[in-house]
Amino acid sequence: EVLLQQSGAELVRPGSSVKISCKASGYTFTDYYMHWVKQRPEQGLVWIGRINPANGNTVYAEKFKSKATLTADKSSNTAYMQLSSLTSEDTATYFCTRRLSGYWGQGVMVTVSS
Amino acid sequence: NTVMTQSPTSMFTSVGDRVTMSCKASQNVGINVGWYQQKTGQSPKRLIYWASNRDTGVPDRFTGSGSGTDFTLTISNMQAEDPAIYYCLQHNSYPYTFGAGTKLELK
Repeated sequence: EVLLQQSGAELVRPGSSVKISCKASGYTFTDYYMHWVKQRPEQGLVWIGRINPANGNTVYAEKFKSKATLTADKSSNTAYMQLSSLTSEDTATYFCTRRLSGYWGQGVMVTVSS
Repeated sequence: NTVMTQSPTSMFTSVGDRVTMSCKASQNVGINVGWYQQKTGQSPKRLIYWASNRDTGVPDRFTGSGSGTDFTLTISNMQAEDPAIYYCLQHNSYPYTFGAGTKLELK
């Protein structure tokens, strides 16, 4: 069974960084791109970018190029997203999804507040 | 960037109704479109891939159609479990882009 298990909710201070994880199981991690999607409260879905876990190659939406950093650890089958210089605009739920297909993580709620 | 424009923004319907919603791309995206259903508090669920292919386990009352710039999701026989927000996504070119969603509610 394919599962994407994301890390827990985060409460972080403005200006800080946070790193969230997405642990994959039930398939060969390096066979599929991992995508990340942002959803602010009561708003729509926004594509952040994707990583090829096989070689670490990344593609980002322009607005996230200096905000998000995607990495992948083949040894632990885990994808990561680090968000930096956090502001209230980054308060959102962040999803990982295998190739934007039928497999999504449960989402991580990141709250930026002092 | 390719803009995906969904309409209507919201709609009310009744059980048994036929429901049609639209997604228009600002440029040709071929058939590289998916449709997603998101219920409150849940992760999105893909219903349709490559514009018209139903994902495994998706009821056949859900039908996707279209190519190029115009796409449609149809629910042939609205059920009580179908209220949700429906999003289209183009994955023809980076950055991938979602539509703003169509909120489907029961009367």
